[in-house]
Amino acid sequence: QKEVEQNSGPLSVPEGAIASLNCTYSDRGSQSFFWYRQYSGKSPELIMFIYSNGDKEDGRFTAQLNKASQYVSLLIRDSQPSDSATYLCAVNGDYKLSFGAGTTVTVRA
Amino acid sequence: GAGVSQTPSNKVTEKGKYVELRCDPISGHTALYWYRQSLGQGPEFLIYFQGTGAADDSGLPNDRFFAVRPEGSVSTLKIQRTERGDSAVYLCASSLTGDSGADTQYFGPGTRLTVL
Repeated sequence: QKEVEQNSGPLSVPEGAIASLNCTYSDRGSQSFFWYRQYSGKSPELIMFIYSNGDKEDGRFTAQLNKASQYVSLLIRDSQPSDSATYLCAVNGDYKLSFGAGTTVTVRA
Repeated sequence: GAGVSQTPSNKVTEKGKYVELRCDPISGHTALYWYRQSLGQGPEFLIYFQGTGAADDSGLPNDRFFAVRPEGSVSTLKIQRTERGDSAVYLCASSLTGDSGADTQYFGPGTRLTVL
């Protein structure tokens, strides 16, 4: 099983600020990386995926991947109260996903 | 289009009973996965189907757990002699092909199982 580590939080940020979420993984052979958002009592919802080193931007979200450091991050710009949720980092080396425990983000209005 | 659906949304059962959880994947997706999520944890992999066959069942915790996908679409997760430790949210996901790490998995709403 691939080990995926995330800071559990909670991470509290004011509305309009940048939320920065970090994830490290143990299997150097991992190929693809996913960020899921999970609202309380709901199922994970895909936000972004990234396969190549560097940055990938989608609206207010930016994923960053550094395979040499085995590190993935997610930035949420202009954070909104609706961004308050748990963010799950997932790593896929073949077909099954290995998840971190998630980071809980609270955006203060 | 329709997403992944799961029934029931909630299941309460007594210790020792048998339960079945159903998953209906996105139409056309050949790959189907079951995960289990306990409170405060990320989902944990249970089993992966490619078509009708279980390609990887290494995540099933013991032989009380079994899953089928007889026609390559709907899947049923079966738990015999349930224990209180089986209480969790059971999530089903599907993806288009499942044959590469780049294939995106889409999750259903989950079934919350409570064993009393």
